[in-house]
Parts: sequence; C-alpha cells; structure tokens
Amino acid sequence: DTAVSQTPKYLVTQMGNDKSIKCEQNLGHDTMYWYKQDSKKFLKIMFSYNNKELIINETVPNRFSPKSPDKAHLNLHINSLELGDSAVYFCASSQDRTHKADFGPGTRLTVT
Amino acid sequence: DQQVKQNSPSLSVQEGRISILNCDYTNSMFDYFLWYKKYPAEGPTFLISISSIKDKNEDGRFTVFLNKSAKHLSLHIVPSQPGDSAVYFCAAIFQGAQKLVFGQGTRLTINP
Repeated sequence: DTAVSQTPKYLVTQMGNDKSIKCEQNLGHDTMYWYKQDSKKFLKIMFSYNNKELIINETVPNRFSPKSPDKAHLNLHINSLELGDSAVYFCASSQDRTHKADFGPGTRLTVT
Repeated sequence: DQQVKQNSPSLSVQEGRISILNCDYTNSMFDYFLWYKKYPAEGPTFLISISSIKDKNEDGRFTVFLNKSAKHLSLHIVPSQPGDSAVYFCAAIFQGAQKLVFGQGTRLTINP
C-alpha cells in the first residue's frame, strides 16, 4: 500500500550509459514531480507533470527526459550519464494545486 | 540564488527541551510554507504548513511561526523526543506555481 514508489532504490552505472528510474503513485494525484538532491543536500525540482502534461521543466540537461504514460506514472530516463549526475532522485506527487507533496523513498544514482 | 535558506546545518537538543529550527526566505511572492522531515534512506514527509495570511499554526507538539516582515519562519518542537532526530527541510511555494522551493535542511539530533 505504498503511496509513492520508485525503482530501483540504488543504481550504480558507468559514465556514458543510459538508465531509467520508474515512479508510480497510487494516491490518485494529478501532479507528479522529479526532484534531485545533490551532494550538498539541496533538493531541487527538475520536472513537473500535471495529468500527463509537462508543466515545469527547470534548467535540466537534455539528457534527462521524463515520460508520463499515465497519471499514476512518471519515469525519468537519463542518457549518456555523467559523473555529476550522481545524486539521489526523488519522485513526488500532489493533488492538483495543493501544496502538500508526497515523496517516494528516493533512488540513489552513482555514476562511476 | 537560494530563495529559501536554513543557515544552521545542524542542531542538538536535549530530550524534553524545545527545538527551534529557523528558515529565511527572500521571495516576497511566497504565500505558503511547509516543513518536511526526512529520515536517512527515506523520502521527505510532510510535517506542518502555514499560509501567509497566518502567523502561527499548531499541530500537537509542532508549531510553525511566520514573520512576514522579517521573511522568517520557525518550527518549534516541544517537548523534543528521540524520534524527532531527522533532517528538517523548510519549503515555500507561491500561488500559481506548482513547485516547492526547499532550503538545504537542518539536521536535528535529540540527545537522551
């Protein structure tokens, strides 16, 4: 009965590879997000989708591409991984324009 | 350009005493503020929030105070318990936007 789930929890990969992180929420929320927590622990938004439509796209490299097949899923695909992509990526969801977001447990990505 | 700042990276408090976590913001357009709590290897969880039309909101042991003129908010936890040991993130949002802007977090340690 997990509200927001992400897979995998840990991801170790080499530079140049392509990888995906999956996110699913069973809360019936309309809006989903991807946040990145870097080595300095800042949590920063990357993308936001509302009803499968991209509404926020912060200054994120083109190598990052979110995909929302339906309202309950928001996946993150990363091409040509770089060392600086190492971080914890959090998926989150919220109900429309309410302010309280529910976060997933995070995916720790390590690029070697 | 950090619009939400938590200047204390860590705080240590004795069990039973009051914990006070502080947060400053620079954007006067923010109209809603939230506190999130995060345990290691988990995603942030919503704790308490406050609208800019209020100056105080209380929920059990947790109280958030907002001083709009000073662009400052604080979270009071009383009495502090060992289970409160976590990283606390302050976040802000302004109407029309669907993204939370986070501070860098304060690690609270409650000592028995």
